[in-house]
Amino acid sequence: QVTLKESGPVLVKPTETLTLTCTVSGFSLSNARMGVSWIRQPPGKALEWLAHIFSNDEKSYSTSLKSRLTISKDTSKSQVVLTMTNMDPVDTATYYCARMEVSRWFDPWGQGTLVTVSS
Amino acid sequence: SYVLTQPPSVSVAPGKTARITCGGNNIGSKSVHWYQQKPGQAPVLVIYYDSDRPSGIPERFSGSNSGNTATLTISRVEAGDEADYYCQVWDSSSDIEVFGTGTKVTVL
Repeated sequence: QVTLKESGPVLVKPTETLTLTCTVSGFSLSNARMGVSWIRQPPGKALEWLAHIFSNDEKSYSTSLKSRLTISKDTSKSQVVLTMTNMDPVDTATYYCARMEVSRWFDPWGQGTLVTVSS
Repeated sequence: SYVLTQPPSVSVAPGKTARITCGGNNIGSKSVHWYQQKPGQAPVLVIYYDSDRPSGIPERFSGSNSGNTATLTISRVEAGDEADYYCQVWDSSSDIEVFGTGTKVTVL
């Protein structure tokens, strides 16, 4: 059974850096046909893709957030880490990680973690 | 950047058919995937590659894609289908993923 679980702080202050970890099980981050993406959803709003990383370490970032995002993976720990710098209240959202097939769909998703940005 | 437009809401009576559109420039040349998100839950893939269903998704869910519009069709709608639905494509020119604006389906 494939599962993903997000972890990280529930509250960050403006200007701080957010670090989120996605721990996966049931598949390997070295699988050539798999990758992991991060996606967020502000309360009551639509989904927004943030970044992805593939087994060969190929990475891609949202055009609008590229300067603030870094994605990395530790295959031995089955973890994918996303950092987002200079957090702002508008970054308050539920952050999801999801397995991404090389054909570019997301399945399954983690349960999500709500991150609130407030002083 | 590539934009996907969905109607904000669709209302349908139980047992009828709901059609949710996803508009994008020449979207017919891309592969479209659809997700269902119920309140307080993570999204679930319901259609991939325009019209394929993952295992466990009822045959009532179907998809099509042509020209500038992709469509998710839910036949014989049930109360349990009430949810938000999102389309998604890969914009290969920028190597980014794009989600639609989302459609809330209400079962009357």
